Amino acid sequence: AQKVTQAQTEISVVEKEDVTLDCVYETRDTTYYLFWYKQPPSGELVFLIRRNSFDEQNEISGRYSWNFQKSTSSFNFTITASQVVDSAVYFCALSEVRGDTGRRALTFGSGTRLQVQP
Amino acid sequence: DTGVSQDPRHKITKRGQNVTFRCDPISEHNRLYWYRQTLGQGPEFLTYFQNEAQLEKSRLLSDRFSAERPKGSFSTLEIQRTEQGDSAMYLCASSPSRAGPGNEQFFGPGTRLTVL
Repeated sequence: AQKVTQAQTEISVVEKEDVTLDCVYETRDTTYYLFWYKQPPSGELVFLIRRNSFDEQNEISGRYSWNFQKSTSSFNFTITASQVVDSAVYFCALSEVRGDTGRRALTFGSGTRLQVQP
Repeated sequence: DTGVSQDPRHKITKRGQNVTFRCDPISEHNRLYWYRQTLGQGPEFLTYFQNEAQLEKSRLLSDRFSAERPKGSFSTLEIQRTEQGDSAMYLCASSPSRAGPGNEQFFGPGTRLTVL
C-alpha cells in the first residue's frame, strides 16, 4: 500500500527565512509520481510541482526548490526567503502507475501548516 | 472562470437527510475525481471517473454514497441518510485526457458539509 508521511505538523518562521518541508513516501511500485500542493486559507488546493520516479533531477523555480531522493524515499520542498503570502498548508502526494485505466487517485500526506510571521 | 467549480460551497443539514453536491470540471478534462477532507488531514480519495465511466471507488465510499457523471461532463455526489461523521469538505478535481497518471489534478473550492 502506498503512504505519504509529513512529520512536520506546523512550522512557524519569520519572513525572509528559508524553510524546508519534509515528505517521505512508501510505495511498492517502481513507477510513480510525486506532487506538492498548496492549500491557502481560502481552501482551494493549488498544484505546485510534479516529479516522476525516473527524474531525480532537482529543480529550482524562483523561490521554490525541490529535493527528490529515491534512495531515502523523500521529496522535500524548500521555500527561500519566505513571505507572508506563503502561509498555507502544504501537501505532498503520491500517484502510482497501474495500467492505462488503473488507479490514478492521489494519496496525500496529512499536510504541514506553514506560518510566516512578518 | 475556467477552473473547477462546485456547488454549493456550504451545506448544513440534519442527520438523516440526503444531500447532493455538484462538480463542473474544466471543460476539456475527461477525468474527474472526488475526495473528502476532514479537519487537519489531507484529502482522501473517494471515486474516479473517466468520461462517464466510474472506474474506481474507495472503500470509504459506503453504500450511502453514490456518484454519477451521466454525460461525461458534470458530476454529482449524493450522500443518503447523512451521519455526523460525514461532516467534511468534499473536493472535486479534474485532469486532462492526455495519457499518464502523472497529470496534475486541478481542484475546485470544495463543498463544506456540516451534519447536525
